[in-house]
Amino acid sequence: AQRVTQPEKLLSVFKGAPVELKCNYSYSGSPELFWYVQYSRQRLQLLLRHISRESIKGFTADLNKGETSFHLKKPFAQEEDSAMYYCALTRFEGGKLIFGQGTELSVKP
Amino acid sequence: KAGVTQTPRYLIKTRGQQVTLSCSPISGHRSVSWYQQTPGQGLQFLFEYFSETQRNKGNFPGRFSGRQFSNSRSEMNVSTLELGDSALYLCASSGGLSSGNTIYFGEGSWLTVV
Repeated sequence: AQRVTQPEKLLSVFKGAPVELKCNYSYSGSPELFWYVQYSRQRLQLLLRHISRESIKGFTADLNKGETSFHLKKPFAQEEDSAMYYCALTRFEGGKLIFGQGTELSVKP
Repeated sequence: KAGVTQTPRYLIKTRGQQVTLSCSPISGHRSVSWYQQTPGQGLQFLFEYFSETQRNKGNFPGRFSGRQFSNSRSEMNVSTLELGDSALYLCASSGGLSSGNTIYFGEGSWLTVV
């Protein structure tokens, strides 16, 4: 079955601390993995995709096919990073995204 | 260019009624998909349309339906509304592999069923 698991519902850290949001997936085949972010009262927006291998707002994510994981990391959290983060997967074509349950990141001053 | 636009943004309906939500994708995008977001179930895929044809379908009852027009605009309809249909309905569009397969979301339509 196709599934995305984000084990942490809420992650609370202090400003300047490292952050790791966990994401594990199960999928038969080679999916494309994404991280989406939803700031308070804003639309869901793409943060990262595994294909591009880039760093956005200091966040990085590496696809580990052996562990079927796509964890999101940032070395120094900022207060403006507080938001809901969703891990998602799709095939390489088509608009069907399978989302995890989301992790709320709270960065305290 | 303009993002994904959804109308109406907020609406209240009575149990048993039906509702139609509208979505205008990003110009040039031919894939439009719909999602339901609730606190309990999170983000769940409803269906996807590409060139006026349903290409993918999620696990929702037949009361949930959609369509896409030749200009790629899409509508979704929910008939015989139930209290549990109260949710944020998100529309998303994609330009496909030629534009990196990135899926862009609208702000959503908040549906409350009373």
